[in-house]
Amino acid sequence: EPEVTQTPSHQVTQMGQEVILRCVPISNHLYFYWYRQILGQKVEFLVSFYNNEISEKSEIFDDQFSVERPDGSNFTLKIRSTKLEDSAMYFCASSPRPIRTGNNEQFFGPGTRLTVL
Amino acid sequence: GENVEQHPSTLSVQEGDSAVIKCTYSDSASNYFPWYKQELGKRPQLIIDIRSNVGEKKDQRIAVTLNKTAKHFSLHITETQPEDSAVYFCAASKGGYNTDKLIFGTGTRLQVFP
Repeated sequence: EPEVTQTPSHQVTQMGQEVILRCVPISNHLYFYWYRQILGQKVEFLVSFYNNEISEKSEIFDDQFSVERPDGSNFTLKIRSTKLEDSAMYFCASSPRPIRTGNNEQFFGPGTRLTVL
Repeated sequence: GENVEQHPSTLSVQEGDSAVIKCTYSDSASNYFPWYKQELGKRPQLIIDIRSNVGEKKDQRIAVTLNKTAKHFSLHITETQPEDSAVYFCAASKGGYNTDKLIFGTGTRLQVFP
């Protein structure tokens, strides 16, 4: 069964450094998402991406964050200058089509644990 | 703003008993309500979902009910087993044209004791 994959599984960085988290969505999916989960807390929406552009973003997704689909398979999240409070598990998700047409389950990747020191 | 409340935060049951987790959503435009199970250190996995045009859905030992008027939805697990132990998250979405962002509840840690 196809799965969303993410690399790296764990990233440790110094405050102020740039990080790029990588995701490979399921190949026939069209809608892509990033969520984050601070340890012990709920999963929070960051951004959604469709047709090569951001379709919606949350208040968390400020100018320090950016997303890109540089080729036909990868979907990346970049944090330009990391802060301590960016430490969290970052999940990528993809779905084949939106709710209005059905079959819109979002499949989550295994996550990247980001630790900012 | 959009919000999903989830209760209880922890739930302990004996194997074979039933477990019920309840969620309330704020945005009346929400029309899709998935439930995810997350085992320790792993990704959230969809276990069941329901759309706003349906009041109840069952899948073996799991059922979900939706009350649109009250903006409540609940997860029911019958004949619980130790492997049901995990954190369960409800979520809500209103299904836009090009985005289906999920708003998650705060999670319920379910422990099933043998």
